[in-house]
Amino acid sequence: DTAVSQTPKYLVTQMGNDKSIKCEQNLGHDTMYWYKQDSKKFLKIMFSYNNKELIINETVPNRFSPKSPDKAHLNLHINSLELGDSAVYFCASSQSSLGTSGKETQYFGPGTRLLVL
Amino acid sequence: AQSVTQLDSQVPVFEEAPVELRCNYSSSVSVYLFWYVQYPNQGLQLLLKYLSGSTLVKGINGFEAEFNKSQTSFHLRKPSVHISDTAEYFCAVSEWGTGGFKTIFGAGTRLFVKA
Repeated sequence: DTAVSQTPKYLVTQMGNDKSIKCEQNLGHDTMYWYKQDSKKFLKIMFSYNNKELIINETVPNRFSPKSPDKAHLNLHINSLELGDSAVYFCASSQSSLGTSGKETQYFGPGTRLLVL
Repeated sequence: AQSVTQLDSQVPVFEEAPVELRCNYSSSVSVYLFWYVQYPNQGLQLLLKYLSGSTLVKGINGFEAEFNKSQTSFHLRKPSVHISDTAEYFCAVSEWGTGGFKTIFGAGTRLFVKA
C-alpha cells in the first residue's frame, strides 16, 4: 500500500486554467505539507496543515489554495495558472508537526509534474 | 538555519568506489539534521537523521553521516556505491526560530554511479 499518494502524476494545462492536485496519506499522521520543486531541484515548502488546520503558509500567491477535508487528505487548488507554476509538487506527511518538534521524518508522495503551456 | 549549502551539484563516481556528499549549514543554535534521497521520478525518502548523541549516524542502504558542530557540517558517506545509488540527495536542517522550527532543504547533489 502506498503511504502517501498523489493524483494526478502528470498535469499538462494551458495558462489561465484552474487545476487541483489531490493527496492522501494512510499513515495516520497528523501533519501534511505541500512542497514545490523547481527545475533546479530546489525544494521549498508552501503549506503545512496539522489536523486540518493551516499552520504554515509561506509566501505563496493567493492563486494557490490548500484544502484539508480531513487529516488524511490535503488538496491543492491552483487558479489562473501561470508559466512559472510549472514544477513538481510534492505532498508529504509527518507524525506530528515538524514546526513543533523539528525532529519529524517526513514521508513524501511521488510528486505531480505540472507543466503550464 | 540561515542557509544549507550542498557544495557539489553533481558527483560522478565509479561503482564500488567510496563517495562523500558534502553539506554545510549556517546556524547559531542547535539544529536537527537530515539526509533524504530522491530516486528518479519518485518522492524523497529519509536516509538518516541526527537529533542528538553520537555524531556518527548510520542510515539505510549503507550510508552514514557525521555531524561536526565546529565545522557546521553533516557530510554523507558510503564506502562502496552501487549503480542503484544513482539519485538526488538532499540535506535538510531544522532550526528553532520565531514561531517554531523551520526546515530548510539544500539544493541537492546528484550522485551518478558509473559501471
